[in-house]
Amino acid sequence: QSALTQPPSASGSPGQSVTISCTGTSSDVGGYNYVSWYQQHPGKAPKLMIYEVSKRPSGVPDRFSGSKSGNTASLTVSGLQAEDEADYYCSSYAGSKGVVFGGGTKLTVL
Amino acid sequence: EVQLVESGGGLVKPGGSLRLSCAASGFTFSSYSMNWVRQAPGKGLEWVSSISSSSSYIYYADSVKGRFTISRDNAKNSLYLQMNSLRAEDTAVYYCARDEQWLATFDYWGQGTLVTVSS
Repeated sequence: QSALTQPPSASGSPGQSVTISCTGTSSDVGGYNYVSWYQQHPGKAPKLMIYEVSKRPSGVPDRFSGSKSGNTASLTVSGLQAEDEADYYCSSYAGSKGVVFGGGTKLTVL
Repeated sequence: EVQLVESGGGLVKPGGSLRLSCAASGFTFSSYSMNWVRQAPGKGLEWVSSISSSSSYIYYADSVKGRFTISRDNAKNSLYLQMNSLRAEDTAVYYCARDEQWLATFDYWGQGTLVTVSS
């Protein structure tokens, strides 16, 4: 399985918005509305931030939002805060291939 | 409170075997599919394997197919990963994760257990 494509890094100043892209194919991102986003701080386990493209689990701030267009999904973090600095990973259901993750994006809050 | 606690990691020689366990609590384990996801040092997340709630469906990543076996014991609220023919590239932190939606939404993760394959 090939990884989904994410930019290795992204950055923004406190209060700004930043968008992270996640590009796959019609066999994963484009074929299903089962894209998730995970936040991972150093040394910690991943945390679910967005599921089914745009849904937020209970407790996740509404500053985090997700969307999808064609084979590309996006995570937008609005009103950046220092604690948002972390690695972000997208994942997608990939049918009989199981699950595919993106390579990860390191978000830096300047 | 949902808790997932992995154990069984350690140092093993290439070609060796190891069995990971994941003890679940705080939810009805038998109602959820479960997964193993790994992360090599300094690298990204890689899905390894998934098992449905009743063990009827099992999927593996191509990188581990034929070498790893996922299983579960619903009576013991436990998930397992038997890893054989281990290679250096299997070195990683292995996480177990609960699946809210089959192969799509990993809503709870354990803290991970480190597997190091080295001579």
